[in-house]
Amino acid sequence: AQTVTQSQPEMSVQEAETVTLSCTYDTSENNYYLFWYKQPPSRQMILVIRQEAYKQQNATENRFSVNFQKAAKSFSLKISDSQLGDTAMYFCAFIPSYNTDKLIFGTGTRLQVFP
Amino acid sequence: DAGVTQSPTHLIKTRGQQVTLRCSPKSGHDTVSWYQQALGQGPQFIFQYYEEEERQRGNFPDRFSGHQFPNYSSELNVNALLLGDSALYLCASSRRGEDTQYFGPGTRLTVL
Repeated sequence: AQTVTQSQPEMSVQEAETVTLSCTYDTSENNYYLFWYKQPPSRQMILVIRQEAYKQQNATENRFSVNFQKAAKSFSLKISDSQLGDTAMYFCAFIPSYNTDKLIFGTGTRLQVFP
Repeated sequence: DAGVTQSPTHLIKTRGQQVTLRCSPKSGHDTVSWYQQALGQGPQFIFQYYEEEERQRGNFPDRFSGHQFPNYSSELNVNALLLGDSALYLCASSRRGEDTQYFGPGTRLTVL
């Protein structure tokens, strides 16, 4: 089965500190795409970062970076210099093969950034 | 550059009724996907439209149907509403052949 598991229902971090959100997934395919989306209380799902499975280099977008471990099927998100505006639900998701556009989501991690 | 838009924002219906939700994709996008997000859960894929045809479908009953128009906008229809259909319905758009989907703000459907 193609699934995404986020084992941390809730996380908290102090402003300016660094936090890492965990994600594991399951697929038998070799080529796929991985994503982190952020959903603030406004509900809008916002793309944070994207990784192509065939690329070994970890993706980075400003304060957001990933640790992609293909053999372990792990895709964690690191947020550096956390800001109050980072408070949101974070969803790990993937498109499990090149033959589909269907996004499969995890259950999310609620991140609270404290001042 | 307008992003993905959805209407209405909120909707309240009673069991057995029918509902239509609407989505306009991001400028330049031709593919629309619909997702259902129950409270406290991640979104679940309903189906995807491209070239006015349903291309992929998730594990949802036939009560869920859709349509895509020549201008790439899309509708999601749900018939014979059940209490369990209460959820946030998200529309996402993309360019055919590209993997990244951009989401709209969603429509909150409440079934009483």
